[in-house]
Amino acid sequence: NAGVIQTPRHKVTGKGQEATLWCEPISGHSAVFWYRQTIVQGLEFLTYFRNQAPIDDSGMPKERFSAQMPNQSHSTLKIQSTQPQDSAVYLCASSLGTSQNTLYFGAGTRLSVL
Amino acid sequence: AQKVTQTQTSISVMEKTTVTMDCVYETQDSSYFLFWYKQTASGEIVFLIRQDSYKKENATVGHYSLNFQKPKSSIGLIITATQIEDSAVYFCAMREGNTDKVVFGTGTRLQVSP
Repeated sequence: NAGVIQTPRHKVTGKGQEATLWCEPISGHSAVFWYRQTIVQGLEFLTYFRNQAPIDDSGMPKERFSAQMPNQSHSTLKIQSTQPQDSAVYLCASSLGTSQNTLYFGAGTRLSVL
Repeated sequence: AQKVTQTQTSISVMEKTTVTMDCVYETQDSSYFLFWYKQTASGEIVFLIRQDSYKKENATVGHYSLNFQKPKSSIGLIITATQIEDSAVYFCAMREGNTDKVVFGTGTRLQVSP
């Protein structure tokens, strides 16, 4: 079990460019979550999927951010026209989706927008 | 809406002592789950311990235990016989019973000194 895999580990983009972050959840986990971590805001919930269906995107900025889960083995978070304030560590987590719902986190992608 | 508050930003203790980290939560649900996670210096986030709202007994795992005070909406984490490797940031988190969404507090940084 390789755990949750996130790629790339680091990404540097210029202001206005697009960034796509990838997440491979643990095999057999039915729920996938995206969080953003900054010093100021801490661990912010962005969105989650259950059985590949989007369930709650209440934490996603309304513009420029989108997330997809085209199959059970990966999810993507896309940020269009990146801005310096998007700089953060983006964390993906997965869980079995049971009532216990322990989250298993990936190592994160550190996004730096210059 | 669910909310988790950790007021202690940083705690320093000597090795082999006991430390308590505070956490209060807000929810309208009668069923919910409370968690503590640890983030190490490398950035890795791991699950430590969970308390289900319907259970009166305080959860215990290894040298971690919880002080669940439901009337006060409080879930403290107690670490006994602290070790140097317990130095990390500790996050309190909550999930309401009708969703998979997990909301985190802002974290408490623990420094354990020899």
